[in-house]
Amino acid sequence: GQNIDQPTEMTATEGAIVQINCTYQTSGFNGLFWYQQHAGEAPTFLSYNVLDGLEEKGRFSSFLSRSKGYSYLLLKELQMKDSASYLCAVGRGGYNKLIFGAGTRLAVHP
Amino acid sequence: SQTIHQWPATLVQPVGSPLSLECTVEGTSNPNLYWYRQAAGRGLQLLFYSVGIGQISSEVPQNLSASRPQDRQFILSSKKLLLSDSGFYLCAWSQGQDNSPLHFGNGTRLTVT
Repeated sequence: GQNIDQPTEMTATEGAIVQINCTYQTSGFNGLFWYQQHAGEAPTFLSYNVLDGLEEKGRFSSFLSRSKGYSYLLLKELQMKDSASYLCAVGRGGYNKLIFGAGTRLAVHP
Repeated sequence: SQTIHQWPATLVQPVGSPLSLECTVEGTSNPNLYWYRQAAGRGLQLLFYSVGIGQISSEVPQNLSASRPQDRQFILSSKKLLLSDSGFYLCAWSQGQDNSPLHFGNGTRLTVT
């Protein structure tokens, strides 16, 4: 079966760095995706990892270790607008089917 | 550029009534199309996906059905809604290649009363 775990909630201070972890167990692994979702809105794509290592995109970076079934999303220089849920999703099999974790709700405080 | 349209934005329907949610994609051809549902405080659950006209795959048994009458049109339906069908329904598309990200529509918030 598939199982994706991430913390339910996190808090951080404006200007700081926060790391959101995700562990997964799945068959037919086909990449790991991170999405941002503001309350009441649709998820928007942040990053994608299929090989081990770190991918950096501006203030956001994502890391993957396939052997450990582990990923993290690193957010630097936090801004108030980064308050949102962050969804970890695993590509399973073909046709870009994504299996999502329940999401981590991040609250950024002044 | 590609855009995805989903409507209506909100919907309140009584138990036992029918449902039809529509999604269209512009600016691409032969996309993969998906319907997800997000219950309050829970992750997105894949309901249906389609890789071409008339080709529908169901991920979970349920009270819903999907159809793809045209290349860029995806419809989610029900003949009789249940209370448990309430949720946030999201349509998404991706390019045909594996590992392409999904791009979501703005969603429909359905409340069954």
